[in-house]
Amino acid sequence: GAGVSQSPSNKVTEKGKDVELRCDPISGHTALYWYRQSLGQGLEFLIYFQGNSAPDKSGLPSDRFSAERTGGSVSTLTIQRTQQEDSAVYLCASSLSGGRGNTIYFGEGSWLTVV
Amino acid sequence: AQTVTQSQPEMSVQEAETVTLSCTYDTSESDYYLFWYKQPPSRQMILVIRQEAYKQQNATENRFSVNFQKAAKSFSLKISDSQLGDAAMYFCAYRSDNAGGTSYGKLTFGQGTILTVHP
Repeated sequence: GAGVSQSPSNKVTEKGKDVELRCDPISGHTALYWYRQSLGQGLEFLIYFQGNSAPDKSGLPSDRFSAERTGGSVSTLTIQRTQQEDSAVYLCASSLSGGRGNTIYFGEGSWLTVV
Repeated sequence: AQTVTQSQPEMSVQEAETVTLSCTYDTSESDYYLFWYKQPPSRQMILVIRQEAYKQQNATENRFSVNFQKAAKSFSLKISDSQLGDAAMYFCAYRSDNAGGTSYGKLTFGQGTILTVHP
């Protein structure tokens, strides 16, 4: 596609339920990132995929969070047993590769509200 | 680990005037890139300008320019002839180019500066 596509755009879920957020990166981009942005806050790194390498999961806040990337393209971020503090905008981004200063392009985000 | 600091939570400017947003960063690396991103209410992060650390010349993109002071680890954004459409939150970001390092490829963001443009 022309840009990074994320779905759903908005999601309201009950505390304790599981949610899945999807990201479709720009075609040909081997690097994919997930960030979290809480209300009025900066962006917090969650996870980074680069090609076939093992993902960098150092930013995942707890074991309730996981992500996978199938076929080197689409990625799914899963949050199990959601808590109210998980409410945030989850931004996905992609770039041609992880280095050489390649521009990172962002999607419009998935706004998650846990009630 | 690298850190990025934006000391101005909010800034305002009159339309057609010039405003400068501040950013400082901390790193022990020599190879890196710096970025300014704009986030309007639509939430879409839009790249405004980028700077390669190995370049001494300050980057410029139309009305946007940076003042990159590598020794001082400072990277400010100047917006000239401000327009109403410039109103947004602006984020400064650092990206390591140190292959093999734990931060390689990832963007580290500052807390952001909300810019208001008055007509």
